[in-house]
Amino acid sequence: DQQVKQNSPSLSVQEGRISILNCDYTNSMFDYFLWYKKYPAEGPTFLISISSIKDKNEDGRFTVFLNKSAKHLSLHIVPSQPGDSAVYFCAAALGFGNEKLTFGTGTRLTIIP
Amino acid sequence: DGGITQSPKYLFRKEGQNVTLSCEQNLNHDAMYWYRQDPGQGLRLIYYSQIVNDFQKGDIAEGYSVSREKKESFPLTVTSAQKNPTAFYLCASSPGPRPAFFGQGTRLTVV
Repeated sequence: DQQVKQNSPSLSVQEGRISILNCDYTNSMFDYFLWYKKYPAEGPTFLISISSIKDKNEDGRFTVFLNKSAKHLSLHIVPSQPGDSAVYFCAAALGFGNEKLTFGTGTRLTIIP
Repeated sequence: DGGITQSPKYLFRKEGQNVTLSCEQNLNHDAMYWYRQDPGQGLRLIYYSQIVNDFQKGDIAEGYSVSREKKESFPLTVTSAQKNPTAFYLCASSPGPRPAFFGQGTRLTVV
């Protein structure tokens, strides 16, 4: 039972445009969410997070939006750059201090020059 | 360079054998983690350790064992009790409560 779902395995976006990566979850007890980025032949690295007390968190070109009623979060990248081409994983936790993350299956983002 | 090193990158094991995957970090992080990734699934937590000489089971700990004798090292042993060990294994570390940096992974194949 996949509690965190990334329904789009891949996404292609023109350079300079907005990339929107989506993530849905089923467990309403999740209250802390994270995005990781993974380049080929490297391990994932932490990108950005959001607590359920917020509906938006911004860090430079990256913004994460959380819609608790829809159990949906999204990562916006504006403007998209070629270096953003990677696999993006969303993850959810039961609380800020909880060690156990539930990961989605990832979305491969390709930025077209 | 600071980082996490997993070795080997590829590992083959005969059925019934135990095998140990290495994970070393020089980031001075207290917390270390082991995840498993299977095709079409997200990363799943096997074990984690928040401090030396202490570790906790994750969601899929059965058939695995770990030790944390040194802050820098968190080896994972895949035992013969693990029924489906062929997978991609990722080690991670963090200064806080959730993994921040991952190694490059070890792909284990049972032959």
